[in-house]
Amino acid sequence: EAGVAQSPRYKIIEKRQSVAFWCNPISGHATLYWYQQILGQGPKLLIQFQNNGVVDDSQLPKDRFSAERLKGVDSTLKIQPAKLEDSAVYLCASRGTAAFSEQFFGPGTRLTVL
Amino acid sequence: DQQVKQNSPSLSVQEGRISILNCDYTNSMFDYFLWYKKYPAEGPTFLISISSIKDKNEDGRFTVFLNKSAKHLSLHIVPSQPGDSAVYFCAASALQTSYDKVIFGPGTSLSVIP
Repeated sequence: EAGVAQSPRYKIIEKRQSVAFWCNPISGHATLYWYQQILGQGPKLLIQFQNNGVVDDSQLPKDRFSAERLKGVDSTLKIQPAKLEDSAVYLCASRGTAAFSEQFFGPGTRLTVL
Repeated sequence: DQQVKQNSPSLSVQEGRISILNCDYTNSMFDYFLWYKKYPAEGPTFLISISSIKDKNEDGRFTVFLNKSAKHLSLHIVPSQPGDSAVYFCAASALQTSYDKVIFGPGTSLSVIP
């Protein structure tokens, strides 16, 4: 079974630039998550999708962050414009429908904003 | 407001000895707890979980203990091996109120010394 795929793995941009991350979840997983992990902290949920609908985006900075999951499969997360404090690893995870099933994480995208 | 706390940022243990990683939580609505392991440049991977109806769950060398009255859980690794060196995240969810939203702690970095 293929895991969660993310690209790019690394990205360096200057502040005020835009950046986009892509995630392909495990086939058949209806739930998809985007997390932000700042160095020394645990992953923080940014947005959760159920199929192509948003379940929770309460911690997404909507003035600069946006995410979509067209057709309920792949997802993209965009930051526009980026700030220095956005430097972090952005993790995508997906989860199946069985009760008590765990989330499967991708390798993450390490973003550095200069 | 940190709902899931891991007060030890790091831990060093000799190979073959027991590793004990601790986690405290504040939200009494949490009813499902998970431990994830993370190697550098990889996403977190699920390790073991426990439901609030249990006080212990075992999987090979890994055992998780839950003390609901103290709002405390711990992960025991016996015997510890060098390959166990990683960051361990404690995570919690309130399945009855916020289906599959998971709150992560800040992590504990475990080093197993050969």
